[in-house]
Amino acid sequence: EAQLVQSGAEVKKPGESLEISCKGSGYRFSSYCIAWVRQMPGKGLEWMGIICPGDSETRYSPSFQGQVTISADKSISTAYLRWTSLKASDTAMYYCAREEYNDPPGLFGMDVWGQGTTVTVSS
Amino acid sequence: QSVLTQPPSTSGTPGQRVTISCSGSSSNIGSNFVFWFHQLPGTAPKLLIYRATPRPSGVPDRFSDSKSGTSASLAISGLRSEDEADYYCAAWDDSLSGYVFGTGTKVTVL
Repeated sequence: EAQLVQSGAEVKKPGESLEISCKGSGYRFSSYCIAWVRQMPGKGLEWMGIICPGDSETRYSPSFQGQVTISADKSISTAYLRWTSLKASDTAMYYCAREEYNDPPGLFGMDVWGQGTTVTVSS
Repeated sequence: QSVLTQPPSTSGTPGQRVTISCSGSSSNIGSNFVFWFHQLPGTAPKLLIYRATPRPSGVPDRFSDSKSGTSASLAISGLRSEDEADYYCAAWDDSLSGYVFGTGTKVTVL
């Protein structure tokens, strides 16, 4: 069974850096892309970006371009979401989700989701 | 930013049929597949239905979707208490080169 397992909850101070992870199992990691989705408290879903480990292509939502970095290490079937300087407004739940590879994405949808990682940024 | 517009809420009694609309534009719904997700409180979203491939396993055929032009809709027939959740549409946007989600609709079973 395909599964995405995310790293645990984080509590950080403004200005600190952070990297959260998403590990895939039960499927061929390189045949799928990994998207990151933000959900702020009490709000809806926002697509942040996607990485396709097979060809390392990465796309970002204009809203998140330059604010975060998405990367992946296919040797350990893990994708990452990184911030260099957190803000209080980054407080949210972050989900990873996989989508079968296609260029461009959008053909198969995000069919398996991680359990989410809560990030709290507070002084 | 949400580019797809959904009604904030809808409700129905058990057994009723409810529909949720999702309005977009030519660069997203008008030219790409629409996906529907549901999210129970405190849990991760789950892919509910989409047209590109067969229905995900475990999703009952009470759920159906349709699309016309730049709008899509999700219908839930035979409403059940376990259908009470938040529902989101999503589509790839060719102009943004990324996915856009709907604003979300809360379904309440009365």
